[in-house]
Amino acid sequence: GAGVSQSPSNKVTEKGKDVELRCDPISGHTALYWYRQSLGQGLEFLIYFQGNSAPDKSGLPSDRFSAERTGGSVSTLTIQRTQQEDSAVYLCASSLVGDSNQPQHFGDGTRLSIL
Amino acid sequence: RKEVEQDPGPFNVPEGATVAFNCTYSNSASQSFFWYRQDCRKEPKLLMSVYSSGNEDGRFTAQLNRASQYISLLIRDSKLSDSATYLCVARRTGNQFYFGTGTSLTVIP
Repeated sequence: GAGVSQSPSNKVTEKGKDVELRCDPISGHTALYWYRQSLGQGLEFLIYFQGNSAPDKSGLPSDRFSAERTGGSVSTLTIQRTQQEDSAVYLCASSLVGDSNQPQHFGDGTRLSIL
Repeated sequence: RKEVEQDPGPFNVPEGATVAFNCTYSNSASQSFFWYRQDCRKEPKLLMSVYSSGNEDGRFTAQLNRASQYISLLIRDSKLSDSATYLCVARRTGNQFYFGTGTSLTVIP
């Protein structure tokens, strides 16, 4: 099935390195969301893309975090100069727009570990 | 105040029990509502949408009270496999989703 696809599944890197996480949403879903979830915690909203509109970046925790969505489909979340507190699962979700009864669909997430 | 609030639990119930979770939302502009289930170290998965008239899916019943701004989920005849965290979600116009922090359920043999 063509669900939300995220890569890599796991990423281990050293503190101070940059990382790039990828999300491929469900075909036809123009809304794309990034969340972060630390162990035992709830979802933390990071950023939201909707079509060609300016993204809602209100959840990005610092200027080390940025995201792009090229061509209205695939998105990449970049974390520069990673810190240990960046360790978490990064979840991407997509949804249809135009029908408020549509839910979000999540990818499997990228488990990021900063050493 | 958080947009969506849930009792975090944990709820520990015996197999076969009925358990209910409540959730409140703060913004009356919220248009649609959902319950998601999240297993340990997995992504959230849609359990069911919540309709104004209430809806049922097997052992699961969801209800919405717009006047009081709360949503509920009832699980009847609990199974071991129901053990998970249940997330309450509100969707507003503009396609923004608001998640509660989740209610933990453990069904005990």
